[in-house]
Amino acid sequence: QVQLVESGGGVVQPGRSLRLSCAGSGFTFSSVGIHWVRQAPGKGLEWVAVIAYDGSDKYYADSVKGRFIISRDNSKNTVSLQMNSLRAEDTALYYCSLGNDMDVWGQGTTVTVSS
Amino acid sequence: QSALTQPASVSGSPGQSITISCTGASSEIGSYSRVSWYQQHPGKAPKLMIYGGNKRPSGVSNRFSGSKSGNTASLTISGLQAEDEAHYYCCSYATTWVFGGGTKVTVL
Repeated sequence: QVQLVESGGGVVQPGRSLRLSCAGSGFTFSSVGIHWVRQAPGKGLEWVAVIAYDGSDKYYADSVKGRFIISRDNSKNTVSLQMNSLRAEDTALYYCSLGNDMDVWGQGTTVTVSS
Repeated sequence: QSALTQPASVSGSPGQSITISCTGASSEIGSYSRVSWYQQHPGKAPKLMIYGGNKRPSGVSNRFSGSKSGNTASLTISGLQAEDEAHYYCCSYATTWVFGGGTKVTVL
């Protein structure tokens, strides 16, 4: 079945970097766009970034623009989110999701930014 | 793109119908049928309930329906059931995507 699995979360100090990965299976990975969406503890959903099916287009939320970089490797069915200059407010559960309508979601990976 | 506006909470009794509104700028909702709705139970990942403004994915109950009027999209849940108690989020996209703040649905 269609599945997305996130990994790479952890505890990191402010100002440091972390790289998240999203692995897809059960569908033609190279034909769909992939999003990252985050949810701070007790808060709502916040869209973070999206990458087109072929990596040609990438868009970011203003809150992460210039600090986060989304990329993909279709040969490995993975999308990555390189998070630099992390701040306390980046603490959240990070989900990846599939397609313009985000019709499939992973279970998320937790990022905690704390000294 | 600013966040879409949803009521913080909506409640109803079993069997009743409730409607959740989602208001945005004309560039976010007024011009496009690119509105989707997600249901999220505590500790779970979001689940797509409505896409394209009023389309249901396979497997989603026909008790859930979407509509749009001007700059406001709406999700209606008819025949409210205990399992519908959850948070609901609207989402719209133009160049980038934006979510509403979420609505807590309580079944009385």
